[in-house]
Amino acid sequence: ILNVEQSPQSLHVQEGDSTNFTCSFPSSNFYALHWYRWETAKSPEALFVMTLNGDEKKKGRISATLNTKEGYSYLYIKGSQPEDSATYLCAFITQAGTALIFGKGTTLSVSS
Amino acid sequence: DVKVTQSSRYLVKRTGEKVFLECVQDMDHENMFWYRQDPGLGLRLIYFSYDVKMKEKGDIPEGYSVSREKKERFSLILESASTNQTSMYLCASSPGGARNEKLFFGSGTQLSVL
Repeated sequence: ILNVEQSPQSLHVQEGDSTNFTCSFPSSNFYALHWYRWETAKSPEALFVMTLNGDEKKKGRISATLNTKEGYSYLYIKGSQPEDSATYLCAFITQAGTALIFGKGTTLSVSS
Repeated sequence: DVKVTQSSRYLVKRTGEKVFLECVQDMDHENMFWYRQDPGLGLRLIYFSYDVKMKEKGDIPEGYSVSREKKERFSLILESASTNQTSMYLCASSPGGARNEKLFFGSGTQLSVL
């Protein structure tokens, strides 16, 4: 059974802190890795889709890296703001897979 | 912008009822998905569809069925609702052809089965 692990499960930071989360996935037969942000009472929204080893993507203060050989991705948030409070989901799909497999998410709370 | 619309935000049903959850997308996407979200378990795939009248079982299809008669609409059916089907249900869609395309999600239906 393919499994995606995210850590930490939750964390609380102060406004202005930088933070990062980890997503671990099986490294064999990798095809793509997705990051989504899910704010309370809203729809999950795609942040990044990454396919190549060594990929780095950036969207404003949020960036992500990908290591397909060792099976992990990091999501970084620079200078966290209260509006960054959300659950961050990662998901991956293998070369033979037909649908994404999601992790349980990391819930971030940012205090002002 | 792509819009994925789920018919109800909150739904309360009784055990044994037949329940329909509707999902409509307006961007001609080939692929549609139904997930459920439970605390501590993450998003789990129930069923998905890559074309009209086509369906594939996900990880937890037991107790559910689906219908895709039109490209834009994907319905999730609980044949006889049970209390363990109380959950947040999320519909998603994506364009066809490539498995690295991002998903577009609806806002979810919180179903309570009493």
